[in-house]
Amino acid sequence: EIVMTQSPATLSVSPGERATLSCRASQSVGGDLSWYQQKPGQAPRLLIYGTSTRATGVPARFSGSGSGTEFTLTISSLQSEDFAVYYCQQYNNWPPITFGQGTRLEIK
Amino acid sequence: EVQLLESGGDLVQPGGSLRLSCAASGITFTNSAMTWVRQAPGKGLEWVSTIDKSGSRTYYADSVKGRFTISRDDSKNTLYLQMDSLRVEDTALYYCAKPSLGAMRFQYWGQGTLLSVSS
Repeated sequence: EIVMTQSPATLSVSPGERATLSCRASQSVGGDLSWYQQKPGQAPRLLIYGTSTRATGVPARFSGSGSGTEFTLTISSLQSEDFAVYYCQQYNNWPPITFGQGTRLEIK
Repeated sequence: EVQLLESGGDLVQPGGSLRLSCAASGITFTNSAMTWVRQAPGKGLEWVSTIDKSGSRTYYADSVKGRFTISRDDSKNTLYLQMDSLRVEDTALYYCAKPSLGAMRFQYWGQGTLLSVSS
């Protein structure tokens, strides 16, 4: 099983600033890495797939990078609606499909 | 518009059984693999099970293998999760999700149905 580890668990950032979230895989997942955003009381929303491709309707301030075992989600200028929990997910080697434990992005 | 509508969640005693449903619309259901993902209260996302588009191949997390059964009824555009021998740790919000064609990333999610297992 590929274990996905996200850091930090909680990130405090001021609106307008840049946020950088990390995700590490226990073994290579190639480029098969997705990011999801989840707000309270809502289902997850796909943001990024294939490491760096934005899903339909996702603003350009969201970007993904990395390869192999190290991945990053960057939000270039935080808006109020971006404060949420973010999960990475690998789909390179499954079953099982595995998610990271999440990073909570909170307002500083 | 794609809609995935889960139902069937309830309060069940440990050892009990329950069947969840997910009614799909706005997609070509017969061409779609489908997946269940769960989220325990205040916790992260956990993949539970996937069924391929033909229904002939099914996959399960170790935590539910032998207790849960995923199935589909293409005539009703509906996905099911039969859950037996339920445990307290199965308590969660259960989402159905549609993977993209050829890749297990999830563009479409339902709003979830809540299973509580408690005596």
